[in-house]
Amino acid sequence: DIVVTQSPDSLAVSLGERATINCKSSQSVLYSSNNKNHLVWYQQKPGQPPKLLIYWASTRESGVPDRFSGSGSGTDFTLTISSLQAEDVAVYYCQQYYTTPYTFGQGTKLEIK
Amino acid sequence: EVQLLESGGGLVQPGGSLRLSCAASGFTLSNYAMSWVRQAPGKGLEWVSGFFYTPGGIHYADPVKGRFTISRDNSKNTLYLQMNTLRAEDTAVYYCAKAVVNYWYFDLWGRGTLVTVSS
Repeated sequence: DIVVTQSPDSLAVSLGERATINCKSSQSVLYSSNNKNHLVWYQQKPGQPPKLLIYWASTRESGVPDRFSGSGSGTDFTLTISSLQAEDVAVYYCQQYYTTPYTFGQGTKLEIK
Repeated sequence: EVQLLESGGGLVQPGGSLRLSCAASGFTLSNYAMSWVRQAPGKGLEWVSGFFYTPGGIHYADPVKGRFTISRDNSKNTLYLQMNTLRAEDTAVYYCAKAVVNYWYFDLWGRGTLVTVSS
């Protein structure tokens, strides 16, 4: 199985500042046939289901604010929130969809400092 | 409106069974790969099972293999998860999730249904 590990487990950032969350997979999720990284980011707020933010490691889902961006390739990925807003308080998960079982990171809890 | 609505959760004793349902509206479920994802109380997300729309396209996570069965009723536009021989560690909110065409990431989630396995 591909193990997906996020860091840090929790993060406190001031409003308007940058937040960075890392995600590392135990093997590459770059698929040679399409040259795409099979890595996605979700946001989950309390009492709600996850919400798709970014797919193919760096493609923003429709309707997601452009302060959210994803980067990385192979085994190392980053979710960046360029200017933290109060509504961004949530737990963020990455997930690999390269191969079954489709594993998630353990989550990163983002709070306001 | 495009949505998924899970039902069927509840309290069950260890060793018991439950069947979860996920009714889709606003789209044809059989045109998409679908999955069940669970979340134990206060914990992270765990993929459980997936139903792809080609023959042989059914997958399970190791912890549920042999105990859970995913199925679909196209006439009812509904996905199911039959859960047998339930264990305390199966306690979780179970989400139904729609995959994006041929790839296993999820752009639509239901609100979830809580399964509690306890004596």
